[in-house]
Amino acid sequence: GNSVTQMEGPVTLSEEAFLTINCTYTATGYPSLFWYVQYPGEGLQLLLKATKADDKGSNKGFEATYRKETTSFHLEKGSVQVSDSAVYFCALSPSGGSYIPTFGRGTSLIVHP
Amino acid sequence: EAGVAQSPRYKIIEKRQSVAFWCNPISGHATLYWYQQILGQGPKLLIQFQNNGVVDDSQLPKDRFSAERLKGVDSTLKIQPAKLEDSAVYLCASSARTSGPREAQYFGPGTRLTVL
Repeated sequence: GNSVTQMEGPVTLSEEAFLTINCTYTATGYPSLFWYVQYPGEGLQLLLKATKADDKGSNKGFEATYRKETTSFHLEKGSVQVSDSAVYFCALSPSGGSYIPTFGRGTSLIVHP
Repeated sequence: EAGVAQSPRYKIIEKRQSVAFWCNPISGHATLYWYQQILGQGPKLLIQFQNNGVVDDSQLPKDRFSAERLKGVDSTLKIQPAKLEDSAVYLCASSARTSGPREAQYFGPGTRLTVL
């Protein structure tokens, strides 16, 4: 079946540091890939997405590139802020067959001033 | 545009009791999802509706869980009887197009269920 693996957290950084959260997936065909963010006390919200190989999703200074050859969709940001502290979820939606979206376990990011 | 609404936000029940959760998706969204999120894990899909029909319920424990989406709008998820392992956050999400999960999903705030 499909699966998503994220790096374990928490990831603890100082403000303005560079962020990478690793995400790899297992799926047949060409799934769509997503990053969702969950701020404390709130629901999940879409951060960015990519629907085909080599696509780059970007939003609010975050970026992720769909790498088919390495089955990866790593999340990056050049300079994090305290307000980026949240839990980040990598997810995939299959391209055919099962309609079941699959989420990773989430990675907690803590940014200190 | 109003977001996905869920109620209640919190619920505490004893095992073997029943409980129901309500979800109102974003207006016009055809697809509605219910997820179970156990502490420390990612959301797990329970059931997906497109309009008022079920697209996938393969991961719904049908001996105790049921869900319906009357008139293709609001939805309710019921657990009867509840077990200790049902303690989790229940998330509702919706998406706009009929292409289903390849579209971005919009999530509600969730209902935190504690079974004692």
